[in-house]
Amino acid sequence: GAVVSQHPSRVICKSGTSVKIECRSLDFQATTMFWYRQFPKQSLMLMATSNEGSKATYEQGVEKDKFLINHASLTLSTLTVTSAHPEDSSFYICSARDWRGGGYTFGSGTRLTVV
Amino acid sequence: SQQGEEDPQALSIQEGENATMNCSYKTSINNLQWYRQNSGRGLVHLILIRSNEREKHSGRLRVTLDTSKKSSSLLITASRAADTASYFCATDRSGGSNYKLTFGKGTLLTVNP
Repeated sequence: GAVVSQHPSRVICKSGTSVKIECRSLDFQATTMFWYRQFPKQSLMLMATSNEGSKATYEQGVEKDKFLINHASLTLSTLTVTSAHPEDSSFYICSARDWRGGGYTFGSGTRLTVV
Repeated sequence: SQQGEEDPQALSIQEGENATMNCSYKTSINNLQWYRQNSGRGLVHLILIRSNEREKHSGRLRVTLDTSKKSSSLLITASRAADTASYFCATDRSGGSNYKLTFGKGTLLTVNP
């Protein structure tokens, strides 16, 4: 079945630094990838949709300059949290949609802690 | 914004019992999906039901969809302790090249041995 690899699974960084999270589709091509944020015991909130070779579409209220998304190839999308602050601490999950019309496959998530 | 609303928010049952979770949504959809999430982990796709389907089965899972009421239910039969997890419904309103999956708030299911 389709597999999405998300890395790192956990990261701790200092306030003011930037963190990059990678999302890779391992056995399929994903023209569209999605980034979600999840607070403890809450649901997934869609942050942005990235399409290969074009700019990401951000949801209302998500700062595009803070959460930089790059979808440079059909198998890789990255989310960079810039100038991280403690309030950015959260669980970030990516998902990818198979270009052939398959369903959505999710990565295992990244636990970001900003200290 | 949240599309789906699950109830109950938390459900605790004994092993062997059935668990029923409900989901309501607000707009028209192409399909509705149910996902499972173990604590601190990613999501696992359980089942998808299309807007023109009313019921679907997969192993111990049974999903219903009522588009007139904009609601869906997930039934897990003969529950096991390993079924303990959060369950989310997600609505897919994809159209053209615009894909989007919107999640409900989830139900935390605890199955006691």
